[in-house]
Amino acid sequence: DSGVTQTPKHLITATGQRVTLRCSPRSGDLSVYWYQQSLDQGLQFLIQYYNGEERAKGNILERFSAQQFPDLHSELNLSSLELGDSALYFCASSALAGANNEQFFGPGTRLTVL
Amino acid sequence: ILNVEQSPQSLHVQEGDSTNFTCSFPSSNFYALHWYRWETAKSPEALFVMTLNGDEKKKGRISATLNTKEGYSYLYIKGSQPEDSATYLCALPRLSATNKLIFGTGTLLAVQP
Repeated sequence: DSGVTQTPKHLITATGQRVTLRCSPRSGDLSVYWYQQSLDQGLQFLIQYYNGEERAKGNILERFSAQQFPDLHSELNLSSLELGDSALYFCASSALAGANNEQFFGPGTRLTVL
Repeated sequence: ILNVEQSPQSLHVQEGDSTNFTCSFPSSNFYALHWYRWETAKSPEALFVMTLNGDEKKKGRISATLNTKEGYSYLYIKGSQPEDSATYLCALPRLSATNKLIFGTGTLLAVQP
């Protein structure tokens, strides 16, 4: 158990809908990351937050947005869902934001868009 | 563009065999290299973060080395066990001030009992 929690574990929804994925980092970690793993792709970095501020952005679609709250939990919002958004979404956290910080991954949320 | 390449793509070994695989990356603008183990139906688990040329790290039967000048890292598993079966990923941060990791495609290791 990494100490990172994600809810829900599974989510099934329809095209055009909007969902929110939630992540609580390990106690004391200030940085949160979101990754997407689709069927034919490896882990793709979406976005990083550090202490409430956006720190780095990957190839995150405009239909997706995220934030980190004052209590350091984070939410990833996915809107106007398409079939291709079906994937495993991981959250990770690390103590600080820099390149040498070990990232601890949560169990993931499996999103299925029908 | 940061290309992180891992080889081989997959590996089948017998229990007790020692094995190793490679992560290759551009040697310029190196900040750190992360190794992860990802078992099926679980989430990636951090093994090592390596930052200095010549670094060697060890955790139990697993060890890793780093050569930043030539742009590669080796991961070694001594006396493989079935529980070592997993995908081993390496990842490098795009910039030093962030931890935006670019992952390789991984090496899938299957250890036959």
